[in-house]
Amino acid sequence: DAGVIQSPRHEVTEMGQEVTLRCKPISGHDYLFWYRQTMMRGLELLIYFNNNVPIDDSGMPEDRFSAKMPNASFSTLKIQPSEPRDSAVYFCASSARGVGTGELFFGEGSRLTVL
Amino acid sequence: GESVGLHLPTLSVQEGDNSIINCAYSNSASDYFIWYKQESGKGPQFIIDIRSNMDKRQGQRVTVLLNKTVKHLSLQIAATQPGDSAVYFCAENFSGGYNKLIFGAGTRLAVHP
Repeated sequence: DAGVIQSPRHEVTEMGQEVTLRCKPISGHDYLFWYRQTMMRGLELLIYFNNNVPIDDSGMPEDRFSAKMPNASFSTLKIQPSEPRDSAVYFCASSARGVGTGELFFGEGSRLTVL
Repeated sequence: GESVGLHLPTLSVQEGDNSIINCAYSNSASDYFIWYKQESGKGPQFIIDIRSNMDKRQGQRVTVLLNKTVKHLSLQIAATQPGDSAVYFCAENFSGGYNKLIFGAGTRLAVHP
């Protein structure tokens, strides 16, 4: 398996623009997580899905952020409109059994810079 | 891409020495702990885990120690190699709650030849 695949790897955009980050989890994994990593706050969980259903989105910063998982092999994280404080590395991770019973497999991240 | 966290605490060791990375976790109810390694420009990678009913677990060249009394976790790396240079994160989970891993701030390990 190729692992968790994220795109784009790097994105530079201007404030106010819409940003869409994409993730393909490992086949057969029922859990998908979106994390954000910044120097100030470290790794933060934004939202996670189980069997394509959002279970906990309490980490989503505000209404500008939304995430979807239309099928078992694809998820998106959208920011609209983007702001400079959204600049971070966004990671997608998948797991076969959830965090309490198995490990998370992370993608290589999408580095977002909002000017 | 470079790793975030340029101002993380750094542990510098000589190649071949043993490394000990420490972590204080926050929730006394946490019962599952994981160590991750993050190399520059990559996502975190699972190293080893331990449940709260254990106080020690060994892997290949790595050992995790758990002290629940003081909420402390440590990762020991034997015979540290240049390839071990990375940022190391501990993460905690409370299995009675949601699937939330709470990550620590991280420690940068620098291995010198």
